[in-house]
Amino acid sequence: EPEVTQTPSHQVTQMGQEVILRCVPISNHLYFYWYRQILGQKVEFLVSFYNNEISEKSEIFDDQFSVERPDGSNFTLKIRSTKLEDSAMYFCASSGIEQYFGPGTRLTVT
Amino acid sequence: QKEVEQNSGPLSVPEGAIASLNCTYSDRGSQSFFWYRQYSGKSPELIMFIYSNGDKEDGRFTAQLNKASQYVSLLIRDSQPSDSATYLCAAKRGYGQNFVFGPGTRLSVLP
Repeated sequence: EPEVTQTPSHQVTQMGQEVILRCVPISNHLYFYWYRQILGQKVEFLVSFYNNEISEKSEIFDDQFSVERPDGSNFTLKIRSTKLEDSAMYFCASSGIEQYFGPGTRLTVT
Repeated sequence: QKEVEQNSGPLSVPEGAIASLNCTYSDRGSQSFFWYRQYSGKSPELIMFIYSNGDKEDGRFTAQLNKASQYVSLLIRDSQPSDSATYLCAAKRGYGQNFVFGPGTRLSVLP
């Protein structure tokens, strides 16, 4: 069964550093998403991506964040100059009609 | 602002009982609705979706949609301890549109 994959599963970084979170969406899906979930809180939408461009982004997705589809399979989220409050689970998802989530990357900023 | 509301719970039911999870949404343009299950520390897992008024059944799960009342529910029959998780309701306007998630309801099925 096709699935969304994400790497790494856990990333530890120092405040101020840049991180890149990677995702491989389901191959026949056209819409890709990044969500964030701070421990104990709700799933928060960050950004959606379609046809090689951002289709929608939330207030959370400021200039610190960027997304890219560098090739035909990967979808990345870059966080520049990380802050302590960026510590969270980051989920990638892809959709056709239904949306499926990847297993997530736990980002810890120290 | 598009909002999806859920009771945070916890909702406790005995094993074998029916668990009823509810969700309301504010955006009348929402067309399809999704239920996800999320175990602690894991990613949301799609259970089922519904887009027509009425009931949709899939195994022990039944989703119910009432667009006039802007209300969606999920019934879990014969609840098992393994159903203990947080259940997320999500709504979207149309194909390719963004999913708006509720905060989730924590369900505890007691053996």
